[in-house]
Amino acid sequence: NAGVTQTPKFRVLKTGQSMTLLCAQDMNHEYMYWYRQDPGMGLRLIHYSVGEGTTAKGEVPDGYNVSRLKKQNFLLGLESAAPSQTSVYFCASRTGGGDEQFFGPGTRLTVL
Amino acid sequence: QQQVKQSPQSLIVQKGGISIINCAYENTAFDYFPWYQQFPGKGPALLIAIRPDVSEKKEGRFTISFNKSAKQFSLHIMDSQPGDSATYFCAASMHQGAQKLVFGQGTRLTINP
Repeated sequence: NAGVTQTPKFRVLKTGQSMTLLCAQDMNHEYMYWYRQDPGMGLRLIHYSVGEGTTAKGEVPDGYNVSRLKKQNFLLGLESAAPSQTSVYFCASRTGGGDEQFFGPGTRLTVL
Repeated sequence: QQQVKQSPQSLIVQKGGISIINCAYENTAFDYFPWYQQFPGKGPALLIAIRPDVSEKKEGRFTISFNKSAKQFSLHIMDSQPGDSATYFCAASMHQGAQKLVFGQGTRLTINP
């Protein structure tokens, strides 16, 4: 049981480049979430999904898009990266019957 | 806007002492209050959580105290150990539905041996 995995672990982009972050979970969880973590600001919800084929905006969705074509995967896309998107990105998942969100190890993204 | 305010930003406690971290929330619809623990280079992990139907919840050395009228809750770590050194985040959400957590700013806790 790998839990929640994130790919890649580190990435450096130039302003204007695009990339996709992949989150995968093997716990058959219905809910999945993308957060960003910045110093002094805690974690902020970017987008979330309540099930396969569904997505919804969180607290800070601008500049990001997401897709959940398969239940186990939740993709976070940056179409045109900006330096303000330099952050550590965490994915989390949760079963519909439980409270706990299980977090992945994070992706550290730097946009130059 | 920051709906959950956490203090202090950093805390240094001697081994064996009590660590106390405080949080205040604004949205009275929140009814789920978890604390997450994060070690460097790792993702956050759930430590303990409380619902507002009780004023206190204890799990081992960790206790959450909850004051609904003041809209405040706190984490107490008794007999603090060097292994407790980590960053702690409080959070709040509505329990039903998508559980969109709103996190506090985090507290970096250091336990000196």
